[in-house]
Amino acid sequence: RKEVEQDPGPFNVPEGATVAFNCTYSNSASQSFFWYRQDCRKEPKLLMSVYSSGNEDGRFTAQLNRASQYISLLIRDSKLSDSATYLCVVREYGNKLVFGAGTILRVKS
Amino acid sequence: SQTIHQWPATLVQPVGSPLSLECTVEGTSNPNLYWYRQAAGRGLQLLFYSVGIGQISSEVPQNLSASRPQDRQFILSSKKLLLSDSGFYLCAWSSASGGAGETQYFGPGTRLLVL
Repeated sequence: RKEVEQDPGPFNVPEGATVAFNCTYSNSASQSFFWYRQDCRKEPKLLMSVYSSGNEDGRFTAQLNRASQYISLLIRDSKLSDSATYLCVVREYGNKLVFGAGTILRVKS
Repeated sequence: SQTIHQWPATLVQPVGSPLSLECTVEGTSNPNLYWYRQAAGRGLQLLFYSVGIGQISSEVPQNLSASRPQDRQFILSSKKLLLSDSGFYLCAWSSASGGAGETQYFGPGTRLLVL
């Protein structure tokens, strides 16, 4: 079983749509959770941290369910510029991060 | 602010040739440093990490090695490249004093093609 699992997609959505990505992790002792964004042929960049109470940053909302070991990312009012691969990332212990393989989002006009 | 540099951006090397990729960080002291590889269509695989000069931990057996000769310099090397070494190599840093919420920041990466 992969440590961090994501639906690879691609998710093809029209501009203005709401889209949600899910992620599950296997290690119940995981400490911290993040979403990164990776554009084609570029490095991953931190999108947002994920807190137990849920958190929002503009059009982006992240949720964490520790009991189910489940993380989600919701994007409202999708823009063309949101097209990218979204990586679910978990800190298991120390400074080591475990990355999911990513979910591809394509926003079309 | 902190910045992280990697070079070269792209590299094409023959099988059996040596490799040296360099990563430097500016604007911070005593960072934790990491080397990752991302194969086409795959997730990031942690190769090495370092918490200080000369301190290297290897995550997976391979024909690559890493060194940290200076506080903010991290080098990835190989004596003889294999076809399977092709990929996107990413260097990252994190603050050594960070808490549970501390995350990692990536350099622009080196795209390596071994022929």
